[in-house]
Amino acid sequence: LAKTTQPISMDSYEGQEVNITCSHNNIATNDYITWYQQFPSQGPRFIIQGYKTKVTNEVASLFIPADRKSSTLSLPRVSLSDTAVYYCLVVPLHGFYSGGYQKVTFGTGTKLQVIP
Amino acid sequence: SAVISQKPSRDICQRGTSLTIQCQVDSQVTMMFWYRQQPGQSLTLIATANQGSEATYESGFVIDKFPISRPNLTFSTLTVSNMSPEDSSIYLCSVRRDEPALGANVLTFGAGSRLTVL
Repeated sequence: LAKTTQPISMDSYEGQEVNITCSHNNIATNDYITWYQQFPSQGPRFIIQGYKTKVTNEVASLFIPADRKSSTLSLPRVSLSDTAVYYCLVVPLHGFYSGGYQKVTFGTGTKLQVIP
Repeated sequence: SAVISQKPSRDICQRGTSLTIQCQVDSQVTMMFWYRQQPGQSLTLIATANQGSEATYESGFVIDKFPISRPNLTFSTLTVSNMSPEDSSIYLCSVRRDEPALGANVLTFGAGSRLTVL
C-alpha cells in the first residue's frame, strides 16, 4: 500500500483559501487519491476522490499532477466550521467491481485550525 | 448513502471487563470494517467483517481480544475483551459505499464509541 505524507498541522484565517498537499511517491497505477474530513467526536467523512488532473465538487477541489506522486486538496474561503483533521489516502481500485477485498489505511492527517 | 448507528456512544469501563459495541446500518452492505482511534491519533483498521464468514483481522489484533460478529447484512458487533487502560480509544464502525459512480472504496463511518478504561 502506498504511504502518504502530509503536514501535521496548518493554521488559516477565515475567508482564505487553504491548500493541503499530500505526498504519495509509491502510488500504483490502480490507486485513487481520496480525502476525508474528521470533526471532533465524529467519524471521518468522505470529501473527494480523484485519479489524475483536477476534480471539483461542492466542498473542495483536488489537484493531481501528471506523475500522481502528490496531490493538493484546496478548500475555498474556509470558515471556522472547516476546523478539522484532513486525511489523504491512497485507495486501491483493484478488485473493486468484482467485490474483492481492499483495505483502506489512514495516514496521520493534517489538523487544520481556522482562526477568526 | 448508508446511515450508521453505534451503541454505546461512550462508556467508562473497569479494567478486566468486556464491552460489546453495536453497529447498525440502515441498508444492506457487503463489507463492514472496525477501526480504532487512540487519543490524538489516526485510525487503525482492526478487522473486516463480512456476513457469513469469519472476520479478517489486521496485524496486531486477535480474535480473542476483539471478537466480532456479523449475523446479517445490516448489523455487526465488536467486543473489547479483558480491557486495560491501553484499550481506551474511540472504536469506529464503517461500511464501504457500493456506489461505483461515487468512487473507489469510499467509506461511511459511524460517530464512534468512546471507551475509557479505568
